[in-house]
Amino acid sequence: QVQLQESGPGLLKPSQTLSLTCIVSGVSMSSDSYYWSWIRHHPGKGLEWIGYINYSGSTFYNPSLESRVIISVDTSKSQFSLKLSSVTAADSAVYYCARVIEVYTDYYYYAMDVWGQGTTVTVSS
Amino acid sequence: DIQMTQSPSSLSASVGDTVTITCRASQSISNFLNWYQVNPGKAPKLLIYATSILHSGVPSRFSGSGSGTEFVLTITNLQPEDFATYYCQESYDTPLYTFGQGTKLEI
Repeated sequence: QVQLQESGPGLLKPSQTLSLTCIVSGVSMSSDSYYWSWIRHHPGKGLEWIGYINYSGSTFYNPSLESRVIISVDTSKSQFSLKLSSVTAADSAVYYCARVIEVYTDYYYYAMDVWGQGTTVTVSS
Repeated sequence: DIQMTQSPSSLSASVGDTVTITCRASQSISNFLNWYQVNPGKAPKLLIYATSILHSGVPSRFSGSGSGTEFVLTITNLQPEDFATYYCQESYDTPLYTFGQGTKLEI
C-alpha cells in the first residue's frame, strides 16, 4: 500500500533552516494525478497547508510562507523535501507530508488521501 | 482567502451515540469540502471528499452533507476508535487549501 514517511531533525535553533524529507513507497510519484504536499499542525491549533509539488517540479506555496519555503522532488529516489528558512518558535509544529489526489466526477476534486505519521519540529535557542 | 469555521470546538459523547460537527465557509465553496480524522501520533485519515463521498475503507457510519457555506459531518453509532479530532478542509480555492480549526471528540 501507499506509505509516506517524514524524516529530519527534530530540534532547531532560531534563524536556522528546517529541512525535512518525505519518502514515498508503494506508488510511482510520476503521475499527473498526484501532488505531493506538506502540512503542519501547531500545538493547540489547526492544520496549516504549506505547499505542494508535482512530479515535474511545479510548486505552489501558501502565500503566508512563500518567502521562506522551497519544496523539491526527486522521483528517482521516490522522495520530496521541504526547506523552511529563518525559523522561529512559531514554526514549532508537527510536520506532515501527504499525497493530494485529483478525482473527477462532475468536477475535479482534490483531497489528501495518504499522510505520513508526522514529525515533531521544535525551534528553541 | 476563504475562512473555515468549525463548531463545536470540542464535543463529549459516548460509545453508540450519534454526533454532528458543523463547518462553515466564509464564502460559497459549492461542494468542495473534505473531512479528516486526526489522532496524535498517527497519520491523519481522509474520511470524506466532495462533501459527501466516502473515501475508500471508511466505515459507513461516517457521512457528510451540505453545500455552499454550511457542511455537516455526522458519525452514527460512535465506536471507541472514533474519538479523535476532526478537521474540515476546503478544496475550492485550489491549490490553496484551508482547514478549519478542528473539533475534538472526547469520551
